[in-house]
Amino acid sequence: GDSVTQMEGPVTLSEEAFLTINCTYTATGYPSLFWYVQYPGEGLQLLLKATKADDKGSNKGFEATYRKETTSFHLEKGSVQVSDSAVYFCALSDPPGNQFYFGTGTSLTVIP
Amino acid sequence: DTGVSQDPRHKITKRGQNVTFRCDPISEHNRLYWYRQTLGQGPEFLTYFQNEAQLEKSRLLSDRFSAERPKGSFSTLEIQRTEQGDSAMYLCASSFPVTGGETQYFGPGTRLLVL
Repeated sequence: GDSVTQMEGPVTLSEEAFLTINCTYTATGYPSLFWYVQYPGEGLQLLLKATKADDKGSNKGFEATYRKETTSFHLEKGSVQVSDSAVYFCALSDPPGNQFYFGTGTSLTVIP
Repeated sequence: DTGVSQDPRHKITKRGQNVTFRCDPISEHNRLYWYRQTLGQGPEFLTYFQNEAQLEKSRLLSDRFSAERPKGSFSTLEIQRTEQGDSAMYLCASSFPVTGGETQYFGPGTRLLVL
Protein backbone atom coordinates (compact mmCIF):
# COMPACT_ATOMS: atom_id res chain seq x y z
CA GLY A 1 0.00 0.00 0.00
CA ASP A 2 0.88 3.66 -0.15
CA SER A 3 2.81 5.28 2.67
CA VAL A 4 5.03 8.21 3.59
CA THR A 5 8.08 8.05 5.83
CA GLN A 6 9.23 11.31 7.26
CA MET A 7 12.29 12.33 9.21
CA GLU A 8 11.54 12.28 12.89
CA GLY A 9 11.88 15.36 14.99
CA PRO A 10 11.91 17.50 16.81
CA VAL A 11 14.38 19.63 14.91
CA THR A 12 15.89 22.73 16.50
CA LEU A 13 17.87 25.18 14.39
CA SER A 14 19.35 28.61 14.83
CA GLU A 15 18.01 31.43 12.71
CA GLU A 16 19.55 31.53 9.21
CA ALA A 17 20.56 27.88 9.35
CA PHE A 18 19.93 25.50 6.45
CA LEU A 19 16.96 23.17 6.78
CA THR A 20 16.40 19.73 5.32
CA ILE A 21 13.48 17.51 6.26
CA ASN A 22 13.62 14.12 4.60
CA CYS A 23 10.57 12.45 3.11
CA THR A 24 10.39 9.19 1.20
CA TYR A 25 7.31 7.49 -0.13
CA THR A 26 5.89 4.21 -1.35
CA ALA A 27 3.17 4.31 -3.95
CA THR A 28 1.50 1.80 -6.21
CA GLY A 29 0.84 4.37 -8.92
CA TYR A 30 2.14 7.79 -9.91
CA PRO A 31 1.35 10.04 -6.94
CA SER A 32 1.24 13.77 -6.46
CA LEU A 33 3.43 14.94 -3.58
CA PHE A 34 2.79 17.69 -1.06
CA TRP A 35 4.25 19.46 1.92
CA TYR A 36 1.78 20.91 4.41
CA VAL A 37 2.63 23.12 7.38
CA GLN A 38 0.80 23.49 10.67
CA TYR A 39 1.63 26.61 12.66
CA PRO A 40 0.86 26.59 16.39
CA GLY A 41 -2.89 26.80 16.95
CA GLU A 42 -3.70 26.77 13.24
CA GLY A 43 -4.92 24.29 10.64
CA LEU A 44 -2.95 22.53 7.94
CA GLN A 45 -1.86 24.79 5.11
CA LEU A 46 -0.43 23.77 1.77
CA LEU A 47 3.21 24.79 1.56
CA LEU A 48 4.14 23.37 -1.86
CA LYS A 49 3.44 20.51 -4.21
CA ALA A 50 4.78 18.63 -7.23
CA THR A 51 2.85 16.45 -9.60
CA LYS A 52 5.44 14.69 -11.74
CA ALA A 53 9.02 13.51 -11.64
CA ASP A 54 11.70 16.21 -11.49
CA ASP A 55 9.11 18.91 -10.75
CA LYS A 56 10.26 21.36 -8.10
CA GLY A 57 7.66 22.88 -5.82
CA SER A 58 8.58 26.13 -4.10
CA ASN A 59 6.98 28.65 -1.78
CA LYS A 60 8.17 31.12 0.88
CA GLY A 61 11.79 30.11 0.30
CA PHE A 62 11.04 26.39 0.76
CA GLU A 63 11.73 23.94 -2.06
CA ALA A 64 11.22 20.25 -2.71
CA THR A 65 11.98 18.20 -5.83
CA TYR A 66 9.99 15.12 -6.86
CA ARG A 67 12.61 12.37 -7.25
CA LYS A 68 11.03 9.27 -8.74
CA GLU A 69 14.26 7.30 -8.84
CA THR A 70 14.79 7.66 -5.09
CA THR A 71 11.07 7.99 -4.23
CA SER A 72 11.84 11.11 -2.24
CA PHE A 73 10.50 14.63 -1.76
CA HIS A 74 12.85 16.30 0.71
CA LEU A 75 11.99 19.77 1.98
CA GLU A 76 14.75 22.39 2.04
CA LYS A 77 15.17 26.02 2.97
CA GLY A 78 18.40 27.93 2.75
CA SER A 79 17.91 30.25 5.71
CA VAL A 80 15.21 29.58 8.30
CA GLN A 81 13.49 32.25 10.37
CA VAL A 82 11.87 32.11 13.78
CA SER A 83 8.50 32.40 11.99
CA ASP A 84 9.14 29.03 10.28
CA SER A 85 8.67 27.25 13.60
CA ALA A 86 5.85 24.79 12.91
CA VAL A 87 5.10 21.15 12.21
CA TYR A 88 5.74 20.03 8.63
CA PHE A 89 3.91 17.12 7.02
CA CYS A 90 4.83 15.31 3.85
CA ALA A 91 1.88 13.77 1.99
CA LEU A 92 0.97 11.97 -1.20
CA SER A 93 -2.20 11.30 -3.12
CA ASP A 94 -2.34 8.28 -5.39
CA PRO A 95 -4.02 8.62 -7.77
CA PRO A 96 -4.29 12.40 -7.60
CA GLY A 97 -7.65 13.34 -6.13
CA ASN A 98 -7.81 10.38 -3.81
CA GLN A 99 -7.18 10.42 -0.09
CA PHE A 100 -3.93 11.78 1.20
CA TYR A 101 -1.38 9.65 3.00
CA PHE A 102 0.55 11.73 5.52
CA GLY A 103 3.83 11.27 7.27
CA THR A 104 3.98 11.62 11.03
CA GLY A 105 5.12 15.22 10.90
CA THR A 106 8.39 16.93 11.83
CA SER A 107 8.35 19.64 14.45
CA LEU A 108 10.73 22.50 13.71
CA THR A 109 11.78 25.11 16.24
CA VAL A 110 13.94 28.00 15.11
CA ILE A 111 15.72 29.93 17.84
CA PRO A 112 17.03 33.49 17.45
CA ASP B 1 -12.99 33.72 -0.25
CA THR B 2 -13.98 31.74 2.82
CA GLY B 3 -12.07 28.62 3.60
CA VAL B 4 -13.26 25.32 5.01
CA SER B 5 -15.11 25.78 8.28
CA GLN B 6 -15.82 23.25 11.00
CA ASP B 7 -18.17 23.34 13.94
CA PRO B 8 -17.73 22.99 16.83
CA ARG B 9 -14.04 23.70 17.30
CA HIS B 10 -13.97 21.82 20.58
CA LYS B 11 -16.18 19.14 22.07
CA ILE B 12 -15.97 17.44 25.44
CA THR B 13 -18.27 14.51 25.97
CA LYS B 14 -18.71 11.56 28.26
CA ARG B 15 -18.06 8.03 27.14
CA GLY B 16 -21.12 6.49 25.55
CA GLN B 17 -22.60 9.74 24.29
CA ASN B 18 -23.15 10.54 20.62
CA VAL B 19 -21.48 13.52 18.97
CA THR B 20 -21.92 15.17 15.59
CA PHE B 21 -19.51 17.45 13.77
CA ARG B 22 -20.21 19.67 10.82
CA CYS B 23 -17.97 20.69 7.92
CA ASP B 24 -18.67 23.41 5.37
CA PRO B 25 -16.33 23.11 2.40
CA ILE B 26 -15.19 25.83 0.04
CA SER B 27 -18.29 26.53 -2.02
CA GLU B 28 -17.19 25.32 -5.46
CA HIS B 29 -15.42 22.21 -4.18
CA ASN B 30 -17.25 18.99 -4.93
CA ARG B 31 -14.92 16.66 -3.03
CA LEU B 32 -14.95 16.51 0.75
CA TYR B 33 -12.71 14.46 3.01
CA TRP B 34 -12.66 13.57 6.70
CA TYR B 35 -9.44 12.75 8.55
CA ARG B 36 -8.54 12.02 12.16
CA GLN B 37 -5.34 13.24 13.77
CA THR B 38 -3.98 12.13 17.11
CA LEU B 39 -1.18 13.79 19.02
CA GLY B 40 2.19 13.41 17.35
CA GLN B 41 0.77 11.75 14.25
CA GLY B 42 -0.19 12.81 10.78
CA PRO B 43 -3.83 12.91 9.70
CA GLU B 44 -5.38 9.53 8.88
CA PHE B 45 -8.03 9.23 6.22
CA LEU B 46 -11.56 8.32 7.30
CA THR B 47 -13.85 8.86 4.33
CA TYR B 48 -14.53 11.00 1.30
CA PHE B 49 -17.41 12.27 -0.80
CA GLN B 50 -17.74 13.41 -4.34
CA ASN B 51 -20.85 15.56 -4.36
CA GLU B 52 -23.32 13.61 -2.20
CA ALA B 53 -21.85 10.18 -2.92
CA GLN B 54 -19.61 8.59 -0.30
CA LEU B 55 -16.94 6.99 -2.48
CA GLU B 56 -14.48 5.54 -0.02
CA LYS B 57 -14.31 4.59 3.64
CA SER B 58 -11.25 3.62 5.63
CA ARG B 59 -11.05 0.48 7.69
CA LEU B 60 -10.56 2.94 10.58
CA LEU B 61 -14.18 3.96 10.23
CA SER B 62 -15.95 1.55 12.56
CA ASP B 63 -19.69 1.07 12.42
CA ARG B 64 -20.03 3.66 15.21
CA PHE B 65 -18.97 6.31 12.72
CA SER B 66 -21.24 7.61 10.01
CA ALA B 67 -20.81 10.49 7.61
CA GLU B 68 -23.26 12.19 5.33
CA ARG B 69 -23.26 14.90 2.72
CA PRO B 70 -26.93 15.08 1.86
CA LYS B 71 -27.00 17.84 -0.72
CA GLY B 72 -23.42 17.76 -1.83
CA SER B 73 -22.56 20.82 0.22
CA PHE B 74 -21.89 20.56 3.96
CA SER B 75 -21.11 17.25 5.61
CA THR B 76 -21.66 15.77 9.06
CA LEU B 77 -19.64 13.16 10.89
CA GLU B 78 -21.41 11.37 13.72
CA ILE B 79 -19.78 9.16 16.31
CA GLN B 80 -22.15 6.99 18.30
CA ARG B 81 -21.39 5.56 21.73
CA THR B 82 -18.11 7.44 21.98
CA GLU B 83 -15.07 5.74 23.51
CA GLN B 84 -11.99 7.31 25.04
CA GLY B 85 -10.00 6.13 22.03
CA ASP B 86 -12.08 8.44 19.85
CA SER B 87 -10.38 11.45 21.42
CA ALA B 88 -8.60 13.17 18.55
CA MET B 89 -8.70 16.13 16.19
CA TYR B 90 -11.19 15.57 13.37
CA LEU B 91 -10.22 17.37 10.20
CA CYS B 92 -12.26 18.15 7.15
CA ALA B 93 -10.81 19.05 3.78
CA SER B 94 -12.24 19.90 0.39
CA SER B 95 -10.95 19.98 -3.16
CA PHE B 96 -11.93 20.56 -6.76
CA PRO B 97 -10.78 18.26 -9.54
CA VAL B 98 -7.90 19.62 -11.58
CA THR B 99 -5.53 17.89 -13.93
CA GLY B 100 -2.89 16.47 -11.63
CA GLY B 101 -1.93 17.63 -8.18
CA GLU B 102 -5.36 18.28 -6.73
CA THR B 103 -4.85 20.25 -3.51
CA GLN B 104 -6.92 19.58 -0.43
CA TYR B 105 -7.79 22.60 1.69
CA PHE B 106 -8.17 21.87 5.36
CA GLY B 107 -10.43 23.31 8.00
CA PRO B 108 -9.28 24.20 11.52
CA GLY B 109 -10.52 20.90 12.92
CA THR B 110 -12.80 19.81 15.75
CA ARG B 111 -10.97 18.64 18.84
CA LEU B 112 -12.87 15.88 20.61
CA LEU B 113 -12.18 14.81 24.18
CA VAL B 114 -14.05 11.80 25.49
CA LEU B 115 -14.00 11.52 29.28
